[in-house]
Amino acid sequence: GESVGLHLPTLSVQEGDNSIINCAYSNSASDYFIWYKQESGKGPQFIIDIRSNMDKRQGQRVTVLLNKTVKHLSLQIAATQPGDSAVYFCAETFGNEKLTFGTGTRLTIIP
Amino acid sequence: KAGVTQTPRYLIKTRGQQVTLSCSPISGHRSVSWYQQTPGQGLQFLFEYFSETQRNKGNFPGRFSGRQFSNSRSEMNVSTLELGDSALYLCASTPGARGTDTQYFGPGTRLTVL
Repeated sequence: GESVGLHLPTLSVQEGDNSIINCAYSNSASDYFIWYKQESGKGPQFIIDIRSNMDKRQGQRVTVLLNKTVKHLSLQIAATQPGDSAVYFCAETFGNEKLTFGTGTRLTIIP
Repeated sequence: KAGVTQTPRYLIKTRGQQVTLSCSPISGHRSVSWYQQTPGQGLQFLFEYFSETQRNKGNFPGRFSGRQFSNSRSEMNVSTLELGDSALYLCASTPGARGTDTQYFGPGTRLTVL
């Protein structure tokens, strides 16, 4: 079946540095992608999304890049802060289908 | 605007029992989805409801069921609980019917089956 996966299960970044979290997806029909952040004891929180007609979208300190040719998605976090420590999930969908989530990457910010 | 609320937040049950979890979506949101989250399997989609109708269903046994009320509130039920049902159950709501709408998650219900 279709799957969404992550290249690295854990990532440690020095506070103030930029971080990049990667995600590979296998369904070429997917047309909507979302990044979620989940802190301990909380539900996933929407960070940023991107539709397949775009290859880049920027938010506050975050940028999502979409490469449809190689079916790859990345989340860039600029100037990381301790509060960025969390598990990050990518998710994909198409049409009215359900969201499919990746396994998650744990980001740890080193003070 | 209040976020998605889930009750109870924590629940302990024994094998063979049944459980009902409740979810109140964000005001005005009409679609509710349920997910099971475990360390080993990650976030697994259970089902989605829109206007009191189940629109999508994941690959879970029939012991897992749900429903949605006219006020968009939703419940999910798990019968004949098994140890493997221990998980965080998350509810998410979206404004409309499109799967591409952003989903807003509640804090989850932590179910422990002994």
